[in-house]
Amino acid sequence: TQLLEQSPQFLSIQEGENLTVYCNSSSVFSSLQWYRQEPGEGPVLLVTVVTGGEVKKLKRLTFQFGDARKDSSLHITAAQPGDTGLYLCAGRAAGGFKTIFGAGTRLFVKA
Amino acid sequence: NAGVTQTPKFQVLKTGQSMTLQCAQDMNHEYMSWYRQDPGMGLRLIHYSVGAGITDQGEVPNGYNVSRSTTEDFPLRLLSAAPSQTSVYFCASSSGRESGNTIYFGEGSWLTVV
Repeated sequence: TQLLEQSPQFLSIQEGENLTVYCNSSSVFSSLQWYRQEPGEGPVLLVTVVTGGEVKKLKRLTFQFGDARKDSSLHITAAQPGDTGLYLCAGRAAGGFKTIFGAGTRLFVKA
Repeated sequence: NAGVTQTPKFQVLKTGQSMTLQCAQDMNHEYMSWYRQDPGMGLRLIHYSVGAGITDQGEVPNGYNVSRSTTEDFPLRLLSAAPSQTSVYFCASSSGRESGNTIYFGEGSWLTVV
């Protein structure tokens, strides 16, 4: 059984602070995705990383895929209240279609 | 742009009742799936399908049935509802051909079993 463990589960910070969310597994994934979910809505894709060691930047968000393709991190620089939400990592098994999700990190950014 | 449409949005069931959550996508996606989301547990895969006529079990399939008679539709059936099935259900689809394809989600169905 493949598992994706996210940490921390909950994070409450002040506007302007930096933060990092981690997604770890003992399994190898062909790709790792990060989604953001607002209350009452379905998750929406932020980024996909495919190559081990890959780093992608999306404005103030930096995503990294581990060299062994077993883990990933999301770093937010100078967090803003608009970043508040549930962040989910999702891994797709190599050679398959199944995508599993981590439990999520609930981020609250205070103004 | 409809994307992934699921109905109903809210439903209250009595223990033992059956019901079907409907899901339709208009993007001609091969891959469709159902997830349930519970507090602190993220999204757990119930069943998925890689094309019409093909379905398979996910992480938590017990108590649920699915079928995929067309590319567009992927209904989820609860045969005999139990309080443990109280959850938010999300239908999702993706083109599935390439690793890392975007998964598109419906807006969710809030189900309460009393």
